[in-house]
Amino acid sequence: GNSVTQMEGPVTLSEEAFLTINCTYTATGYPSLFWYVQYPGEGLQLLLKATKADDKGSNKGFEATYRKETTSFHLEKGSVQVSDSAVYFCALSDQGSNYKLTFGKGTLLTVNP
Amino acid sequence: GAGVSQSPSNKVTEKGKDVELRCDPISGHTALYWYRQSLGQGLEFLIYFQGNSAPDKSGLPSDRFSAERTGGSVSTLTIQRTQQEDSAVYLCASSLVAGGGTDTQYFGPGTRLTVL
Repeated sequence: GNSVTQMEGPVTLSEEAFLTINCTYTATGYPSLFWYVQYPGEGLQLLLKATKADDKGSNKGFEATYRKETTSFHLEKGSVQVSDSAVYFCALSDQGSNYKLTFGKGTLLTVNP
Repeated sequence: GAGVSQSPSNKVTEKGKDVELRCDPISGHTALYWYRQSLGQGLEFLIYFQGNSAPDKSGLPSDRFSAERTGGSVSTLTIQRTQQEDSAVYLCASSLVAGGGTDTQYFGPGTRLTVL
């Protein structure tokens, strides 16, 4: 079956620091990959996605590249802000699983001024 | 336009009672998913609807859990004889169709269920 493993954190950074949150996956098919973000007190929002190998998803300064050879989709941002403090979830979906999302356990990011 | 809405936002119930959770998807979205978010288990899939049919119920944890969708729109998740381990945030998501990751799932704010 499908599974997603991500670093669990918590991760605490100072403003303007570089961020990496690692994510690796196991899938039987050819999945699409996602990063979702949950800001304090809010619902889950899609941050970025990639649907095939070597695609790069990007949004709000965040990037992640679909690496089939390493089955990874690491999230990066060059300079984090206090407003990026949130829980980040890596996820995948594929046709064989009716496109339901399989999530990692989430990484809590706190950015201090 | 309006996003996915869920009601109630919070529900406190006593062990053994039945509860109903409601999801209003984005208008025109044919695919609807229920997930559960709990501290111990993270985010787990429960059930998937395409229109009014549920081709994938594989995530429902027991036969106390059931769901229906009517008119291709509103969905209700029912938990019978609630147990303390049912305490979690229940999330609903909808997408235009279920298709290859090219259709984003939009999530509602969730219903926080507490079973005393």
